[in-house]
Amino acid sequence: AQRVTQPEKLLSVFKGAPVELKCNYSYSGSPELFWYVQYSRQRLQLLLRHISRESIKGFTADLNKGETSFHLKKPFAQEEDSAMYYCALSGHSNYQLIWGAGTKLIIKP
Amino acid sequence: DVKVTQSSRYLVKRTGEKVFLECVQDMDHENMFWYRQDPGLGLRLIYFSYDVKMKEKGDIPEGYSVSREKKERFSLILESASTNQTSMYLCASSLWGTTSYEQYFGPGTRLTVT
Repeated sequence: AQRVTQPEKLLSVFKGAPVELKCNYSYSGSPELFWYVQYSRQRLQLLLRHISRESIKGFTADLNKGETSFHLKKPFAQEEDSAMYYCALSGHSNYQLIWGAGTKLIIKP
Repeated sequence: DVKVTQSSRYLVKRTGEKVFLECVQDMDHENMFWYRQDPGLGLRLIYFSYDVKMKEKGDIPEGYSVSREKKERFSLILESASTNQTSMYLCASSLWGTTSYEQYFGPGTRLTVT
């Protein structure tokens, strides 16, 4: 079964500390993975996708097929990173996404 | 810039009422989606549509129906609202084709059923 697991509902770190939001998936083919972010009072938006292999707002995510993971990392957290983060996977259809339950990230000053 | 708008940001309805939530996108996207967003449950797909008058059930379609009469507009209908349908409802759209995975979201409608 296709599934996305975000094991942490809430993650709280101090400003300047490293951040890692975990995402594990199960999928029988070659997945496309995404991270979406929702800042307070803003709409959900794409943060990054694994095929782009880019860094957005200091965040990176590497697809590890052996561990079936797509963890989101940032070396130095900033207060404006506080938000809800969702990991998502493209399913067998070419338009649906399978979503994780989300991780609320709180950056403490 | 893709724009997805939803008819209301906040809505309060009574149990048993028929509720209409509307979503409009201005980027000529073929695909449109309705999700529920609940804490700890993430986004759950209610219905999606890949073309005018075409619809498919998502993971939690019970108690909901949809309508897509025009390409830019996708409506979610709660036939008889119940308290367990109190939630945040998100509409999204995407292109059909190789880049169709990126979904663009509306601001959401927070529905309270009393």
